[in-house]
Amino acid sequence: DTGVSQNPRHKITKRGQNVTFRCDPISEHNRLYWYRQTLGQGPEFLTYFQNEAQLEKSRLLSDRFSAERPKGSFSTLEIQRTEQGDSAMYLCASSRTSGGIAGEQFFGPGTRLTVL
Amino acid sequence: GQQVMQIPQYQHVQEGEDFTTYCNSSTTLSNIQWYKQRPGGHPVFLIQLVKSGEVKKQKRLTFQFGEAKKNSSLHITATQTTDVGTYFCAGPTGFQKLVFGTGTRLLVSP
Repeated sequence: DTGVSQNPRHKITKRGQNVTFRCDPISEHNRLYWYRQTLGQGPEFLTYFQNEAQLEKSRLLSDRFSAERPKGSFSTLEIQRTEQGDSAMYLCASSRTSGGIAGEQFFGPGTRLTVL
Repeated sequence: GQQVMQIPQYQHVQEGEDFTTYCNSSTTLSNIQWYKQRPGGHPVFLIQLVKSGEVKKQKRLTFQFGEAKKNSSLHITATQTTDVGTYFCAGPTGFQKLVFGTGTRLLVSP
């Protein structure tokens, strides 16, 4: 399977703990996105990478959130000092460069985070 | 910031009935994308519309992009139980991040 993969698929943690999620995009895709989705809502943009450069970060993202894509391939999203409000599905997506037009995004299965 | 609203939020139809969801953006869009998310699944790309007034068809699905490039619609003819899910429109902004609409959840009864 050459789709977007995410690990772990589920994470339960206690409030105050740090968590890290991993995303492996489709290999030839140079754009990678992180979204957060809560029940009954659409995906909400968190951050975006083109290759290894983090080009945009949502203002909604607090300092507790950090993302990296060190070699322009896989990416990690870390949440420090988790809060119950961080409970959500964290989705990763990737896409190709396509002449400046935002192209089709391929989503991974997501990591469901539950903060107790 | 840019907002994308969809109506209705929810629709329950009998199999064979038609379904339409409408998407409205607070700003003009360079293009609009539609995604489908099955219950428990992740969003899956359906289509992208770029031109003003563009209409595209995929079997029973018809997508339309408004003349002002601020609204769009998805129409499903003769729904089937496999159409169940939430349909999201999404428009790019900034460095091509997508702003997703509020979604329309479709339930189809056999």
